Amino acid sequence: AQSVTQLDSQVPVFEEAPVELRCNYSSSVSVYLFWYVQYPNQGLQLLLKYLSGSTLVKGINGFEAEFNKSQTSFHLRKPSVHISDTAEYFCAVTPGMTGFQKLVFGTGTRLLVSP
Amino acid sequence: NAGVTQTPKFRILKIGQSMTLQCAQDMNHNYMYWYRQDPGMGLKLIYYSVGAGITDKGEVPNGYNVSRSTTEDFPLRLELAAPSQTSVYFCASQFLGGLQYFGPGTRLTVL
Repeated sequence: AQSVTQLDSQVPVFEEAPVELRCNYSSSVSVYLFWYVQYPNQGLQLLLKYLSGSTLVKGINGFEAEFNKSQTSFHLRKPSVHISDTAEYFCAVTPGMTGFQKLVFGTGTRLLVSP
Repeated sequence: NAGVTQTPKFRILKIGQSMTLQCAQDMNHNYMYWYRQDPGMGLKLIYYSVGAGITDKGEVPNGYNVSRSTTEDFPLRLELAAPSQTSVYFCASQFLGGLQYFGPGTRLTVL
């Protein structure tokens, strides 16, 4: 079975500052990893994904994440945040992409960007 | 393409009432999913379907039922609503080997 840990429930940051949202996972098999963003009162939108290849993946809105297999981590980063990045961010993993995808989500990190 | 649509957006139910949350997708996806999101928690899988006529339980199926008579529609039925079912419900769909696309959600309150 897989599990995902997002240790920070809330991360406050000032506008234009860098930010890192942490995600660690546990799995006995290889996994595919995702970051989703949820703006207030909206559904989930895919930010980025790691399926294979380069461990540094770039997503939308200037976000990037690095897959570290030895540390079982997939931390999300942005060098300079905007007020509009205020949202909840979810890390998720699945052991397979073909067929039924058992997506396991973390509990989320609320990013609060203030001026 | 409208993508994944869900109705209603909001609903308040009284304890013991029943209702159906609607989910539809126009992308001809084989797989469809229902999740619930409770405050401070990630999404939990309620039920999923691998195609018309085939459904299976997820992690938290108790108190819910689903059906999949067509590729496009995947309604979630709540019988005898309970306060513990107060949550935000998300539907998602996925093509074989592809990514899951999420609907905008239904916010349900049971009083």
